[in-house]
Amino acid sequence: DTEVTQTPKHLVMGMTNKKSLKCEQHMGHRAMYWYKQKAKKPPELMFVYSYEKLSINESVPSRFSPECPNSSLLNLHLHALQPEDSALYLCASSQEANSEREYFGPGTRLTVL
Amino acid sequence: SQQGEEDPQALSIQEGENATMNCSYKTSINNLQWYRQNSGRGLVHLILIRSNEREKHSGRLRVTLDTSKKSSSLLITASRAADTASYFCATVGYSTLTFGKGTMLLVSP
Repeated sequence: DTEVTQTPKHLVMGMTNKKSLKCEQHMGHRAMYWYKQKAKKPPELMFVYSYEKLSINESVPSRFSPECPNSSLLNLHLHALQPEDSALYLCASSQEANSEREYFGPGTRLTVL
Repeated sequence: SQQGEEDPQALSIQEGENATMNCSYKTSINNLQWYRQNSGRGLVHLILIRSNEREKHSGRLRVTLDTSKKSSSLLITASRAADTASYFCATVGYSTLTFGKGTMLLVSP
């Protein structure tokens, strides 16, 4: 199984809502990533988890809160987002946190009203 | 930033033609990777070339790397309509991927 799954596929939320994005992989990968991608732009790294510990936070605002409950799951908790946070949120995983090859999920299309 | 710059930004060709995309970057790298993204979906890894390699092939893909010029190229031979997608180069310096701006490839039947 070389698949990274993400739920939901689409999410619309208001600025006062709290929601979570979920990501799952069963490839035994020990590194997992969150990226944000705006339309017609490249993905931008947000967070890196290595062995279930947060290893990189690319100065992401605190309204985004990552969580890695176990080696297969990665969550991104959202609270008090702004309309400019609307984007495609991509999860990825790799064997180790050395980015030899990352496997991406299909993404969650987030719209903040 | 060692973000790559792809050239051209957009490329439109006919099926059967070859497509060449170029990527330039700014700092020294560990390896360089190419990814494909179909219409706002997830990215798919195409090929990785290490800093001590100059050329690599995978099926219809040929990647070259010139570390002295800090540039790479991706050649897709005998293109198909299914190759229509955005293509990103991604550099790895220490441990994380930094993506270039991408090339949008349109292959018409």
